[in-house]
Amino acid sequence: GENVEQHPSTLSVQEGDSAVIKCTYSDSASNYFPWYKQELGKGPQLIIDIRSNVGEKKDQRIAVTLNKTAKHFSLHITETQPEDSAVYFCAALLMDSSYKLIFGSGTRLLVRP
Amino acid sequence: DTEVTQTPKHLVMGMTNKKSLKCEQHMGHRAMYWYKQKAKKPPELMFVYSYEKLSINESVPSRFSPECPNSSLLNLHLHALQPEDSALYLCASSRTGTGRNEQFFGPGTRLTVL
Repeated sequence: GENVEQHPSTLSVQEGDSAVIKCTYSDSASNYFPWYKQELGKGPQLIIDIRSNVGEKKDQRIAVTLNKTAKHFSLHITETQPEDSAVYFCAALLMDSSYKLIFGSGTRLLVRP
Repeated sequence: DTEVTQTPKHLVMGMTNKKSLKCEQHMGHRAMYWYKQKAKKPPELMFVYSYEKLSINESVPSRFSPECPNSSLLNLHLHALQPEDSALYLCASSRTGTGRNEQFFGPGTRLTVL
């Protein structure tokens, strides 16, 4: 079945630096890749997503890149701020009749002031 | 209104109790989801309702019973739970059930089974 691997599991950066989180997926038919941010005590919040017809998408300080050939996609956060500290999950859409989202294991990002 | 609400926020129950979790959305979404999330783990899909019909049951034990009374409401009835069922239960909704639409998550219900 579909598997999504996410790295690193924890990431600590200095405020103002960039952070990069990487995911690989196994189902070559997957065509939708969302990223969620989960703060302590809250539900996951979609921060950006990308579909397979584009290679990159940007929204202010956040960008996602997709390499369909290599089956990996990455989240880039620039000019990090303490409020970016949270757990980030990548996901890939399973392309069977279920259309389930398969989540990565999560990355705990800590931005040090 | 782009919000999914869940009640209660916290729930403590014994193994013989019967309780229900509630979820509501007013975005006109026709797909609603229940996820279970253990500490430091990603959400795990439990059930999906599409157009008020159960479309996915991820082999969840029968002590969890979902219900979708209408397109805005989703319930999860709990009975005879085990301590290992303690987790954060998340509700989500999306425009349709194809999965290619953004899923909006609620804040979750933190469940503790004693």
